[in-house]
Amino acid sequence: GENVEQHPSTLSVQEGDSAVIKCTYSDSASNYFPWYKQELGKRPQLIIDIRSNVGEKKDQRIAVTLNKTAKHFSLHITETQPEDSAVYFCAASTGRRALTFGSGTRLQVQP
Amino acid sequence: GAGVSQSPSNKVTEKGKDVELRCDPISGHTALYWYRQSLGQGLEFLIYFQGNSAPDKSGLPSDRFSAERTGGSVSTLTIQRTQQEDSAVYLCASSLARAGDRYEQYFGPGTRLTVT
Repeated sequence: GENVEQHPSTLSVQEGDSAVIKCTYSDSASNYFPWYKQELGKRPQLIIDIRSNVGEKKDQRIAVTLNKTAKHFSLHITETQPEDSAVYFCAASTGRRALTFGSGTRLQVQP
Repeated sequence: GAGVSQSPSNKVTEKGKDVELRCDPISGHTALYWYRQSLGQGLEFLIYFQGNSAPDKSGLPSDRFSAERTGGSVSTLTIQRTQQEDSAVYLCASSLARAGDRYEQYFGPGTRLTVT
């Protein structure tokens, strides 16, 4: 089955700096890669996703890149703000199974 | 419109008891998923329902876990003879289409299960 690894497990940045979270996946058949943000005590919420026919996608301060050859994808957050502080999860899916999630990255943005 | 709802929000049970967790997906969503999130951990897939197809049960950790989905809508996750390691937040999600398509999975607020 699919295996998703996520790094780093914790990330602390100063407000205004950029944050990058990286994930690798094992199943070359995976074709959908969403990123979820989970604030303390809240449910996960989708912030951006990418499909395997696209190499990069951007939405305001958030961008995701995908390298199918290397089987890795990354989340980039620019101009970080304190409200970006949360746990971020990457995930992958082949289209036939439910999402396989990474272990999460706790992002702390210091004001 | 209403999002995914789950009940109860919190459940404390004694070891060995059975529990039932309920999920009401978003109306019209054909796919429904159950995940488990242990404290400080990621989300672990349990089971997936898509329309009238046989469910994908490959994530269920033991035969003490089962789930059903009645009428293509409400789902119930049952854990029999609960153990302390079953303590976790159980999250339900629904989507318009099957996993892997563009459609977002919308998560419910979860049920926090504590087995004493």
